[in-house]
Amino acid sequence: EADIYQTPRYLVIGTGKKITLECSQTMGHDKMYWYQQDPGMELHLIHYSYGVNSTEKGDLSSESTVSRIRTEHFPLTLESARPSHTSQYLCASSEYKAGSVEQYFGPGTRLTVT
Amino acid sequence: KNEVEQSPQNLTAQEGEFITINCSYSVGISALHWLQQHPGGGIVSLFMLSSGKKKHGRLIATINIQEKHSSLHITASHPRDSAVYICAARLGGNQFYFGTGTSLTVIP
Repeated sequence: EADIYQTPRYLVIGTGKKITLECSQTMGHDKMYWYQQDPGMELHLIHYSYGVNSTEKGDLSSESTVSRIRTEHFPLTLESARPSHTSQYLCASSEYKAGSVEQYFGPGTRLTVT
Repeated sequence: KNEVEQSPQNLTAQEGEFITINCSYSVGISALHWLQQHPGGGIVSLFMLSSGKKKHGRLIATINIQEKHSSLHITASHPRDSAVYICAARLGGNQFYFGTGTSLTVIP
């Protein structure tokens, strides 16, 4: 079983608030990812990290920022939440396995901005 | 057009039926993943394929690299198999393209 955790699982917050979604993994994986998923829609990569102090923006434009100060921790921050940020946010990490990449997902954070 | 297309989008089956979900992709890949997402959002990685066929219990995944096509089969389906099944194509590096998912409901 994968050891990747996200908190909070559910969050309802007002417009304009600053929020941080937490993601931690205990597997020592260098590569971590944040995905955004609207109901019934595909996953979109918004940020990824190859290791400590390495972060990149993904395919989907996002107003969020991330940091990677420790291998196990990859928090995502919204400086000023808006209703358009209402979505599910999934964190993942990956490792090379048998010549390819095995990706592990956290349980997700369902964010509602009112 | 999405780089990864899944069909069908929705599928309802009777318990015990054999189920097939298809995935086609238009990009060169290094591996293809099948993921299962239960209501509430938790995602589990089912298979990672770069060629051939893999089997875990009642689940079988196949891939045809030349045709850029993969299938996920569920034998003797059960209501607990009800979930969204997502196909994800991994390009070189760590870039993934995800399908929109197939929502499966298995009726007792």
